[in-house]
Amino acid sequence: DTGVSQDPRHKITKRGQNVTFRCDPISEHNRLYWYRQTLGQGPEFLTYFQNEAQLEKSRLLSDRFSAERPKGSFSTLEIQRTEQGDSAMYLCASSPLVAGELFFGEGSRLTVL
Amino acid sequence: DQQVKQNSPSLSVQEGRISILNCDYTNSMFDYFLWYKKYPAEGPTFLISISSIKDKNEDGRFTVFLNKSAKHLSLHIVPSQPGDSAVYFCAAAFSFQKLVFGTGTRLLVSP
Repeated sequence: DTGVSQDPRHKITKRGQNVTFRCDPISEHNRLYWYRQTLGQGPEFLTYFQNEAQLEKSRLLSDRFSAERPKGSFSTLEIQRTEQGDSAMYLCASSPLVAGELFFGEGSRLTVL
Repeated sequence: DQQVKQNSPSLSVQEGRISILNCDYTNSMFDYFLWYKKYPAEGPTFLISISSIKDKNEDGRFTVFLNKSAKHLSLHIVPSQPGDSAVYFCAAAFSFQKLVFGTGTRLLVSP
């Protein structure tokens, strides 16, 4: 299966701990996106990369959040000093350079106790 | 501000009938619109899209209609099948940048 893969699928952590999620996009896709989804809401944009360059960050992405895409391949999303409000599904998606359709992974669910 | 709105949180339809899911948007700069389907514990999967230069796009049982003057799009599924039961998200984009999603409509198709 050469789709978007995310790891871990589920993470339970205590408030104040740091967590990191990894996303491996479809190999030929230049763009990589991070979204967050909470119950009853649609996916909310966090940030996106074109190759290794981070082109846009949402206001939702506080300074506790950092995303990287070294070498333009996989990406990591780190949340420092987690809060209960960070509990959500974190979705990664990728797309070719000029395309409207995003291909999503299965998500990483974060539970902050 | 909610730029993409799905005002019906849920819809129930009988198998074989038509399902119509609606979506409204506020940003007239959007030029590409998509529908995604999501099952529990899975990521959204792409269903169908439409460019702002068209007013209809059809793919098998799925048809998307776009009314730019009303800033409204709809997804028609006909005939509806029990396997179509899922949450459907409408999304919009400007110039192939990030997608902005609505809050979703849960469709239940009963046998």
